[in-house]
Amino acid sequence: NAGVTQTPKFQVLKTGQSMTLQCAQDMNHNSMYWYRQDPGMGLRLIYYSASEGTTDKGEVPNGYNVSRLNKREFSLRLESAAPSQTSVYFCASSGLAGVYNEQFFGPGTRLTVL
Amino acid sequence: KNEVEQSPQNLTAQEGEFITINCSYSVGISALHWLQQHPGGGIVSLFMLSSGKKKHGRLIATINIQEKHSSLHITASHPRDSAVYICAVKRGGTSYGKLTFGQGTILTVHP
Repeated sequence: NAGVTQTPKFQVLKTGQSMTLQCAQDMNHNSMYWYRQDPGMGLRLIYYSASEGTTDKGEVPNGYNVSRLNKREFSLRLESAAPSQTSVYFCASSGLAGVYNEQFFGPGTRLTVL
Repeated sequence: KNEVEQSPQNLTAQEGEFITINCSYSVGISALHWLQQHPGGGIVSLFMLSSGKKKHGRLIATINIQEKHSSLHITASHPRDSAVYICAVKRGGTSYGKLTFGQGTILTVHP
């Protein structure tokens, strides 16, 4: 099993460009999450999907949209990138929304917006 | 004030030393995670605790729900333990896995 995979690993964008970060998990998990990690800020939740067909805003959703394409895949879209979105983005998944269990993280995407 | 505070922020040790990283939180929780992030960036879950103590190899995690405090201990530390250790809590009353994270403790173990 690959666990949680993310593409791309690195990306450089110009201000105003758009892009989609892809995330997939092969653990049959119900819940998926997108985080960003910035120096001195810790991990912050952008959006999450408690189960297939549902998505909800997290702590820092402005400037992002998400799609839970199916149970395996959860994508994060930047419609008009801004330098403030320069960050490392992590996708994670966990088993059941109503049952507490650990989260498994992808390797991250390092995004730079010029 | 952050809901999850870790101390120390930076920790340097010599190989073989006993290490303690602390995590205090100010909200009611249903469980607490300890995560490890290596210099390459990947994040791995080490422990998930709701009470008491857990041990895995040289790592021990404890939690005191009444005092809203958790500790991560590393016995016989090794340079490969060098990483960022992150505490995260799942708030009580939430029906989904949203976590609130501490800022992390950077651990460096010298040979």
